Amino acid sequence: NAGVTQTPKFQVLKTGQSMTLQCAQDMNHEYMSWYRQDPGMGLRLIHYSVGAGITDQGEVPNGYNVSRSTTEDFPLRLLSAAPSQTSVYFCASSSQRERTFGSGTRLTVV
Amino acid sequence: GQQVMQIPQYQHVQEGEDFTTYCNSSTTLSNIQWYKQRPGGHPVFLIQLVKSGEVKKQKRLTFQFGEAKKNSSLHITATQTTDVGTYFCAGPSGGSNYKLTFGKGTLLTVNP
Repeated sequence: NAGVTQTPKFQVLKTGQSMTLQCAQDMNHEYMSWYRQDPGMGLRLIHYSVGAGITDQGEVPNGYNVSRSTTEDFPLRLLSAAPSQTSVYFCASSSQRERTFGSGTRLTVV
Repeated sequence: GQQVMQIPQYQHVQEGEDFTTYCNSSTTLSNIQWYKQRPGGHPVFLIQLVKSGEVKKQKRLTFQFGEAKKNSSLHITATQTTDVGTYFCAGPSGGSNYKLTFGKGTLLTVNP
């Protein structure tokens, strides 16, 4: 009953570094998405995927890349970290209705 | 683009008081979803409303979808400390049920 697993839970990066946030789901959902959450801003969609091999941009895609090689995994890559990317990142997996969120990755870019 | 607005941004109540948060969309929605996020936690799905004028209850929580399908509300009767958290509404955007636009949420705190 893992649901959606995100790693790492916490990360500190230096400006300019790259990293990958991992997300895996075991519910066989076709749809997966990445959100970032900033104080007072709610949840904003970064990228999403409607199935293996298919990805698309959300509301705030700049500075992030995604790929979907399998149904289970949907990693989010930060190409060159910037302080503006300091945030809490949530991965979500969904059926046609509800989204199941992972526990989040708290990222700080210094 | 579509906007989903929630009011109030914050609400502090005494335990036992009622609480209501309102959600308004700039466009007609095919459905609306509600999520709860406890402090330090992740959003958890509460409910989805689909029909115009729909009202659904979950114990002390009452959810309503407006007749025009552009607004919704969540009402909690007799709040408890376990109700503390941020409540988000979310609606599909761009005609896709897969892309959700979230409101900024209402943070509820409860004084015991």
